[in-house]
Amino acid sequence: GQNIDQPTEMTATEGAIVQINCTYQTSGFNGLFWYQQHAGEAPTFLSYNVLDGLEEKGRFSSFLSRSKGYSYLLLKELQMKDSASYLCAVRRLTGGGNKLTFGTGTQLKVEL
Amino acid sequence: KAGVTQTPRYLIKTRGQQVTLSCSPISGHRSVSWYQQTPGQGLQFLFEYFSETQRNKGNFPGRFSGRQFSNSRSEMNVSTLELGDSALYLCASSLAGMGTAEETQYFGPGTRLLVL
Repeated sequence: GQNIDQPTEMTATEGAIVQINCTYQTSGFNGLFWYQQHAGEAPTFLSYNVLDGLEEKGRFSSFLSRSKGYSYLLLKELQMKDSASYLCAVRRLTGGGNKLTFGTGTQLKVEL
Repeated sequence: KAGVTQTPRYLIKTRGQQVTLSCSPISGHRSVSWYQQTPGQGLQFLFEYFSETQRNKGNFPGRFSGRQFSNSRSEMNVSTLELGDSALYLCASSLAGMGTAEETQYFGPGTRLLVL
């Protein structure tokens, strides 16, 4: 089976940097995704890692260590609009197919 | 290019009824996955369809079923509704679902189902 853990809630200040961690246990690992979900809306894709290391996309960066089963999402220059739930999802090889298992999400609150 | 669309957006049903939800993937996408999202359980995988065949299945009872048409549009059906089925049902599409680096799932706006 799979187990994905991420903090339930985090609070940060506008303009600051925040790191959201995600740990996972799975067999057949085939990639880790981060999605952002605003209240009442659909998840939107942020980043994808399949190899170890850091992927940077503007104010967002994501890091992966496969040996440690660990990823983090780094958000820089926080803005109020970044207040949302951040979902970590692991894709597992199933002989083809696209099965994602999601963590329960980290609710980020950005304050002035 | 239009995104993933889902209909209806909101639905109210009573216990024991059945419901059918529809999803149209992004043009050219052939893989469609369905998820249930609730405050307590988060996003949970229901099933995935590719080329009109169910390719992956989550741990949901047989009351939850789906199908995919030749144009990649998909429907999911829930029979004998229970109060606990109240949730946001999300559909996501990707190109071919082959697990390559380019395979990202894009979500529709969801159907919010309330069972009374």
